[in-house]
Amino acid sequence: EVQLVESGGGLVQPGGSLRLSCAASGFTFSSYWMHWVRQSPGKGLVWVSRIKSDESSTSYADSVKGRFTISRDNAKNTLYVQMNSLRVEDTAVYYCARGNSFMDVWGKGTTVTVSS
Amino acid sequence: QSALTQPASVSGSPGQSITISCTGTSSDVGGYNFVSWYQHHPGKAPKLMIYDVSKWPSGVSNRFSGSKSGNTASLTISGLQAEDEADYYCCSYADSRTFVFGTGTKVTVL
Repeated sequence: EVQLVESGGGLVQPGGSLRLSCAASGFTFSSYWMHWVRQSPGKGLVWVSRIKSDESSTSYADSVKGRFTISRDNAKNTLYVQMNSLRVEDTAVYYCARGNSFMDVWGKGTTVTVSS
Repeated sequence: QSALTQPASVSGSPGQSITISCTGTSSDVGGYNFVSWYQHHPGKAPKLMIYDVSKWPSGVSNRFSGSKSGNTASLTISGLQAEDEADYYCCSYADSRTFVFGTGTKVTVL
């Protein structure tokens, strides 16, 4: 079964850091681009970042550029996002998703709460 | 990177057809044929319904169809069913190798 499972969410203070993970199974992870997408409470989906299958290309939303870093370990079938200088407005459910120009497989998300 | 504009809500009776619009700019919707649509039931993983403007992923009903004209993309749901009640989001590839989602539309089946 094709599956993505996010982990690493939690409560963090403003200015803090957190690293989210996304474990992939059921497909050849190293062949696919991957995304992070988030949804703040009561709001819509927002694209965060994308990484190419071989990690040679990354892109970010302006709202996280310079603070978030997307990466992957193809040997471990795992996608990451390192989130630094967290702000209250980064509070959201974070989803990982598979795909290049569209997202055809999604995880169920992990919740990040930034609060003092 | 402003969100694409969608109507906040659309409703219809079972069996009817509804259309959700998604308006962007020439830097996103109008500039690329990489518009996708997602169905999202709160608390669950979003589901891909349409990709590359009008293509169906495997397993998605052909009651869902997509199109694009200029800077506006559209999702049409035909033969509306109770199970179609959900939030729907469009998404487009955009300049600078980024993506932008729509504001989201809540579909209600009356």
